[in-house]
Amino acid sequence: GAVVSQHPSRVICKSGTSVKIECRSLDFQATTMFWYRQFPKKSLMLMATSNEGSKATYEQGVEKDKFLINHASLTLSTLTVTSAHPEDSSFYICSAPRRGLEQYFGPGTRLTVT
Amino acid sequence: SQQGEEDPQALSIQEGENATMNCSYKTSINNLQWYRQNSGRGLVHLILIRSNEREKHSGRLRVTLDTSKKSSSLLITASRAADTASYFCATDVQGAQKLVFGQGTRLTINP
Repeated sequence: GAVVSQHPSRVICKSGTSVKIECRSLDFQATTMFWYRQFPKKSLMLMATSNEGSKATYEQGVEKDKFLINHASLTLSTLTVTSAHPEDSSFYICSAPRRGLEQYFGPGTRLTVT
Repeated sequence: SQQGEEDPQALSIQEGENATMNCSYKTSINNLQWYRQNSGRGLVHLILIRSNEREKHSGRLRVTLDTSKKSSSLLITASRAADTASYFCATDVQGAQKLVFGQGTRLTINP
């Protein structure tokens, strides 16, 4: 069964609004989680590393004020897309490492900004 | 930045044939992993091979790793229609848990 969940699975929002995506590890604790975005028929691009109890680490070129990450507990990380625009429409996927090596991925959230 | 390159980008074969996908990477790694993704879905972990391993099997999957060439291959034997998906290799960044993904291979198995 799934060990990492994401909510919502799909969201449509209007341009200028903010959207929050949740990533939960279901039966294990994750001090670190990762957020990726994926454009259609493209690969996954790492956006940021979410660290429990401290600031997220963003990859080069990712706006930290645009994509707010909060890792408030050992099982939950949230990604908030602020003031969303159509170019933010994408598939967002989180992952969490378990037992140090293997990463478990959430089912993804498809964001459409109109 | 992406460090993995995969070829072919797309592969279409008949059911029952073997499918081979290749992945190259640029920096030193601790391990390399292969994932499958069905259209619009999350990733499913297939197999992990450590940097000190050269070959690994799991069911119909066979993965090789050549660290001297910084390359890996994924072989799916006796392909089935259900194997139709995108396949990605992912390498860890030494000293970190984050993964860097290759561009992926879109595999189509024709019945």
